[in-house]
Amino acid sequence: GEDVEQSLFLSVREGDSSVINCTYTDSSSTYLYWYKQEPGAGLQLLTYIFSNMDMKQDQRLTVLLNKKDKHLSLRIADTQTGDSAIYFCAERDNFNKFYFGSGTKLNVKP
Amino acid sequence: ETGVTQSPTHLIKTRGQQVTLRCSSQSGHNTVSWYQQALGQGPQFIFQYYREEENGRGNFPPRFSGLQFPNYSSELNVNALELDDSALYLCASSLAGIPPGRRDTEAFFGQGTRLTVV
Repeated sequence: GEDVEQSLFLSVREGDSSVINCTYTDSSSTYLYWYKQEPGAGLQLLTYIFSNMDMKQDQRLTVLLNKKDKHLSLRIADTQTGDSAIYFCAERDNFNKFYFGSGTKLNVKP
Repeated sequence: ETGVTQSPTHLIKTRGQQVTLRCSSQSGHNTVSWYQQALGQGPQFIFQYYREEENGRGNFPPRFSGLQFPNYSSELNVNALELDDSALYLCASSLAGIPPGRRDTEAFFGQGTRLTVV
């Protein structure tokens, strides 16, 4: 089955950039997503990228996709304490099913 | 706000009991998927409904079952609850059968139902 992997933790200082990395296995995935989850809450869609793109920018968020290496990253510019959360990478197949990584816990220190 | 609502938000059940969780999908969406998120893990796909029929299932036993109604809302039923069923259950709403690249391809998750089995 599909396998999505992420590093478990990332700690940055407020104002720095954060880069969260993800690798996936299914080369036929149509879309790749980033979701944010705050404690006790559901999943908040941050951004997604279509598999024929290699970069997408949305305000402070930049997504880079290296399809050859099956590597996805999320860069958060000027990271704020409110960005502290768990970030999930997910691939979505052609049948609308999502396969999630285990999540990266981002800790932003003031 | 995603427009996807789940009820109840929290639930405590005893081992062996049955539970029904509910999800109202976003207006205009025709596909509902259910996910189980155990503590410290990513969500795992349970099953998906499209136009009232099950359209794919993950690695979950038959005591996990579901329904989708004509208005595209959905229920997740779990029979014979086990302690390991304790988790956050998430519902996702999306629109299937459309060309890629449109905003409609976004899938939105509800806030989840936290089920505790004691």
